[in-house]
Amino acid sequence: QVQLVESGGGVVQPGRSLRLSCGATGFIFSRYGMHWVRQAPGKGLEWVAAIEYDGSAEYYTDSVKGRYTISRDNSRNTVSLQMNSLRADDTAVYYCAREGSSRAFDCWGQGTLVTVSS
Amino acid sequence: EIVLTQSPATLSLSPGERATLSCRASQSVSSFLAWYQQKPGQAPRLLIYDASNRATGIPARFSGSGSGTDFTLTISSLEPEDFALYYCQQRGNWPWTFGQGTKVEIK
Repeated sequence: QVQLVESGGGVVQPGRSLRLSCGATGFIFSRYGMHWVRQAPGKGLEWVAAIEYDGSAEYYTDSVKGRYTISRDNSRNTVSLQMNSLRADDTAVYYCAREGSSRAFDCWGQGTLVTVSS
Repeated sequence: EIVLTQSPATLSLSPGERATLSCRASQSVSSFLAWYQQKPGQAPRLLIYDASNRATGIPARFSGSGSGTDFTLTISSLEPEDFALYYCQQRGNWPWTFGQGTKVEIK
């Protein structure tokens, strides 16, 4: 079945870097745009970044521009999020999500927690 | 950035009652609006896309309407499993954005 599994979360000090990965199974990964969405503890959902199905374009929310980079490897069915210069307000559960044919998020991973703290 | 404002913040209802949730956009998003349900400790689940289309496997008691800047999610008769958080999300303009959520709680 369609499945997304995130990894790479953990505790990191402010100013440091972390790389999240999301592995996809059960569908033809190279046909779908992929996104990262985060949720700070007790807060709502925040869209973070997206990458086109072929990697031809990337999109970011303003608060992470210049610090985060989304990438994908269609040969390995993975999408990644490189997070640099992390701040306390980046603390959140990070979900990867598939942009389905409906152009909505029709499949989500279980999320990985990133905690930025000294 | 398009801001989505959901109302009310909390809706207190009993099973069997009708729930009406609102989402207002700061500028037109055409019909490019989706609704998601999230339960504690779980990832969100897609309910409605393009304002009024039910996602695969979503019961008919969930319906969406609206276009432009004003949208509504209606749950015709609340089941116990429907008490949860609901978010709207737009894809009319980058960056895509979510509303702040409406909590549907048991009265």
